[in-house]
Parts: sequence; C-alpha cells; structure tokens
Amino acid sequence: EVQLLESGGGLLQPGGSLRLSCAASGFTFSNSAMRWVRQAPGKGLEWVSGITGSGDSTYYADSVKGRFTISRDNSKNTLYLQMNSLRAEDTAVYYCAKDLRYSSGWGQGTLVTVSS
Amino acid sequence: EIVMTQSPATLSVSPGERATLSCRASQSVNSNLAWYQQKPGQAPRLLIFGASTRATGIAARFSGSGSGTEFTLTISSLQSEDFAVYYCQQYNNWPPLTFGGGTKVEIK
Repeated sequence: EVQLLESGGGLLQPGGSLRLSCAASGFTFSNSAMRWVRQAPGKGLEWVSGITGSGDSTYYADSVKGRFTISRDNSKNTLYLQMNSLRAEDTAVYYCAKDLRYSSGWGQGTLVTVSS
Repeated sequence: EIVMTQSPATLSVSPGERATLSCRASQSVNSNLAWYQQKPGQAPRLLIFGASTRATGIAARFSGSGSGTEFTLTISSLQSEDFAVYYCQQYNNWPPLTFGGGTKVEIK
C-alpha cells in the first residue's frame, strides 16, 4: 500500500523559507516520479512541481518557478520541496503525490501559512 | 496553458439519483484526463484516468466519458459517501498540469 507522509509545514512571515518533506513507503520510490500539489484554504487544487524517479528532470508551475526547488533522496525514500521567498499567496495545504501525470497515492497534506 | 472549466459549480442531488458533472478543456487533451473526489479534510482520491478507466477499487457507479475538449463524470446512483467535491485534471500538455475549479455535489 502506498503511504506518503508530509511534514515541515508551519507559520512564517513573507519572504521566509521552508522545506517540506514527504516520506514514502509501500512502493519502489526510486522508480516513481513524484509531484507536489497545493490547495489554498477553501480553494481548488493547483499543481506545483514534479520530479522524475531519478531526479534528473524537474518541472515547476510558473507561480513558483525560481522560488521553489523540488528534490529527492532515493536512499531515504524522501521527497522535498524547498520554498524560498514565500508570499501570502503560497498559503495552502501542500500534498505530495505519487506519479507525475495523475496520482492514485496522496499524502494527508501539510499546512503552510505565510502571514505577517 | 490549458484551462479546465467544470460545471456546474454546485450540483444538488438526492440520494439514489444520477449525477452528471462536466469538464471542458480550452484545447484538446485527447483522453488524457483524470477525475478526483475530495472530501473535507482529506486528500483527493483518484477515480478515473484516461478519461474513462476506473482506478483500482473505484465503484462501478462512477463512469467517465469524453475525449478532446468535452468530458463527463457520471455517478449512476448517488450514495451518501459520494457527496464531495470533484475535480478534473488534464495531463496531455504539461507543464503545467491543470485542474478544473471543482464541482461540489451536495445533498438536495
């Protein structure tokens, strides 16, 4: 069974930085592309970023390009999202999900709140 | 960027009735479309991929159809656990992957 557990969310001020983690189990992590999807409070789903299984290729939404960096450590079965220069509009629940294009495995999400 | 538009925004349906949800793409996405269900406080759950293929463990009352720019998710006989928000998502032309704004299915 696919299990994904996000961590690292919190409250921080605009301009701050945060790193989210997603611990994976129940599947061969290194063979699986992964992605981050976020959901602002009361809003819909927004794709944020994706990464191939090897980590060689990464993809970003324009809204986060240049500020966020996706990475992975296949030896630790962990996916990361480094978020810099955070803005109020980045406030959301951040989900990690298995596979690039569509996802049958999702974590429970971690809340990031950016507010002064 | 492909824009996905879902309608209606809210659908009021009685238990046991049929629900029909629509999703339109701003340009063709072929059959590269997925549907998700999301309940309050929970992560999305994949229902349909490839426009019409049910994901593992999804009840047969859920069916997807369409190709190109027009898609439909049908729930043949609504059960109490089906009241939720439903999202479509295209994966034909990306990045970015794009979602529709969602349709909330509520109890009539």
